[in-house]
Amino acid sequence: DVKVTQSSRYLVKRTGEKVFLECVQDMDHENMFWYRQDPGLGLRLIYFSYDVKMKEKGDIPEGYSVSREKKERFSLILESASTNQTSMYLCASHDDRGDGYTFGSGTRLTVV
Amino acid sequence: AQSVTQLDSQVPVFEEAPVELRCNYSSSVSVYLFWYVQYPNQGLQLLLKYLSGSTLVKGINGFEAEFNKSQTSFHLRKPSVHISDTAEYFCAVTPSHSGGYQKVTFGIGTKLQVIP
Repeated sequence: DVKVTQSSRYLVKRTGEKVFLECVQDMDHENMFWYRQDPGLGLRLIYFSYDVKMKEKGDIPEGYSVSREKKERFSLILESASTNQTSMYLCASHDDRGDGYTFGSGTRLTVV
Repeated sequence: AQSVTQLDSQVPVFEEAPVELRCNYSSSVSVYLFWYVQYPNQGLQLLLKYLSGSTLVKGINGFEAEFNKSQTSFHLRKPSVHISDTAEYFCAVTPSHSGGYQKVTFGIGTKLQVIP
């Protein structure tokens, strides 16, 4: 069964901390994505990557960066966490848009 | 640019009753359409998709959806819901043509509450 694994289900961090969210997929997919999900706003794209070491900004990249050193791993970095980054973060991947995304289980991040 | 509108934020329905979750989209090009389901504290799971061909598509868990190009709609239906269908449902659209990155746009979701 294909899988996208996010390393943490729940995280609590303090304002100003540097936060790493990890995502690993075992499907050899080219494309990987980071979304955040907030009530009433749906899913908003933060960053995506279509190849190793490649990254592109999504709709809301401010305050975030990403890293893709290996094909299977896509990391989201909050350089200095703020309370407005409290959210559910979802990682996804696909090889072909027609297949739809495979999502991870999500990381619920709380910044206090 | 494309957009997705899910017309109902919450839909309560009694167990074993039929349900329809509405989705309308706008796009200047041909599209692929998707429905995803999200159970509490989980990620999204693909329910079904329309790429081309038959406008009625069947998915997992007894759900189906019909693509209506003239009305730019892709409504999700189930003839008889179960308690386990309680979840949030997301409609999504992306251009069907290839070449470069093609954005996937999600609706804001519809919460289906099945009442015993």
